[in-house]
Amino acid sequence: ILNVEQSPQSLHVQEGDSTNFTCSFPSSNFYALHWYRWETAKSPEALFVMTLNGDEKKKGRISATLNTKEGYSYLYIKGSQPEDSATYLCAYPSGTYKYIFGTGTRLKVLA
Amino acid sequence: DVKVTQSSRYLVKRTGEKVFLECVQDMDHENMFWYRQDPGLGLRLIYFSYDVKMKEKGDIPEGYSVSREKKERFSLILESASTNQTSMYLCASSFWVNTGELFFGEGSRLTVL
Repeated sequence: ILNVEQSPQSLHVQEGDSTNFTCSFPSSNFYALHWYRWETAKSPEALFVMTLNGDEKKKGRISATLNTKEGYSYLYIKGSQPEDSATYLCAYPSGTYKYIFGTGTRLKVLA
Repeated sequence: DVKVTQSSRYLVKRTGEKVFLECVQDMDHENMFWYRQDPGLGLRLIYFSYDVKMKEKGDIPEGYSVSREKKERFSLILESASTNQTSMYLCASSFWVNTGELFFGEGSRLTVL
């Protein structure tokens, strides 16, 4: 059974703190690793789709790294702001159309 | 602005009722998905469609059916709603499978009494 694990499940940080989360996925038959941000009452939106080992992607204060050999990806947020409060999901395409989602990391940034 | 639109944000239905959840995308995507999200679990795939009239069962298809008569529209049908189908339902679409990002609707929260 393929499994995607995210940690931590939730965390609270102060405004201005930097933080990071982890997504662990199977290291065999790798296609891609997706990160999504899901704000309350909105639709999940894609942050990054990562395909190459060693990939690093950045969007504003958010960046992600990928290690396909050991099966993990890190998401970093630099200088967290209240508007970063959301659930961050990672998804691992397991082949054809099946994406396996982690249970998410719920981030709350306190002003 | 690309969009995936789900017909209802909130629904309350009674056990045994037939329920339709509709999803429309305006991006000309081939691939469309229905997921459900429950507390403590990751998004779970109910059904997937890769073309008009084509569908594939996901991980939890029991109690559900789907319809894709037009490329832009993917409907999820609960033939006889049960209380264990109370959940958040998310529709998504993508251009490519695996490497293409998923575009999600805002979700439909269904309560079955």
